[in-house]
Amino acid sequence: EVQVVESGGGSVQPGGSLRLSCAASGFSFRRFWMHWVRQVPGKGLVWVSRINSDGTTISYADSVKGRFTISRDNAKNTVYLQMNSLRVDDMAVYYCARDVGPAAVGPSMDVWGQGTTVTVSS
Amino acid sequence: QSALTQPASVSGSPGQSITISCTGTSSDVGGYNYVSWYQQHPGKAPKLIIYDVTNRPSGVSNRFSGSKSGNTASLTISGLQAEDEADYYCSSYTTSNTLVFGGGTKVTVL
Repeated sequence: EVQVVESGGGSVQPGGSLRLSCAASGFSFRRFWMHWVRQVPGKGLVWVSRINSDGTTISYADSVKGRFTISRDNAKNTVYLQMNSLRVDDMAVYYCARDVGPAAVGPSMDVWGQGTTVTVSS
Repeated sequence: QSALTQPASVSGSPGQSITISCTGTSSDVGGYNYVSWYQQHPGKAPKLIIYDVTNRPSGVSNRFSGSKSGNTASLTISGLQAEDEADYYCSSYTTSNTLVFGGGTKVTVL
């Protein structure tokens, strides 16, 4: 079964750090770009970051640039999101998603995890 | 990057067709044919239903169709069914090499 499973969420104080992980299985992970998307419960989706198949091309939303770092370990079929200097407005459910890949020309996300919750509160 | 603009809600009766708009700028929707649409039921992860403006992933009903004109993309759901009641989000690639989502549209089946 093709799937991605997030972990690493939790509760942290403002200014703190967390590292999210996303373990992929059922597909050739090293061939696909990967994304992180977040959603405050009851609100809309917000794209956070993406990384290409070998980790050399990365982009971030302006709201997290300089604070969050995306990376991947193709040997472990895992993508990470290191989140530093966390703020209250970073509090959300964080989804990991696989890019469609060669089937599409532009970026879109066809395999999503169930999300991991990040709470930022003093 | 500002979110793409979607109507907050759209409703229709079973069997009817509805259309959800997604308005951006020449820096995103208007600049590329890289608009995607996602369906999200409460408590569930989003599901890709349209990519590259008009393409449906395997397994997605042909009742879902996408189009684009200028800076506005649209998702049409024909033959509306109870199971289509969900939130729908558009997204687009941008000139900043990022992605941006719309604010979401809640579809209600009357």
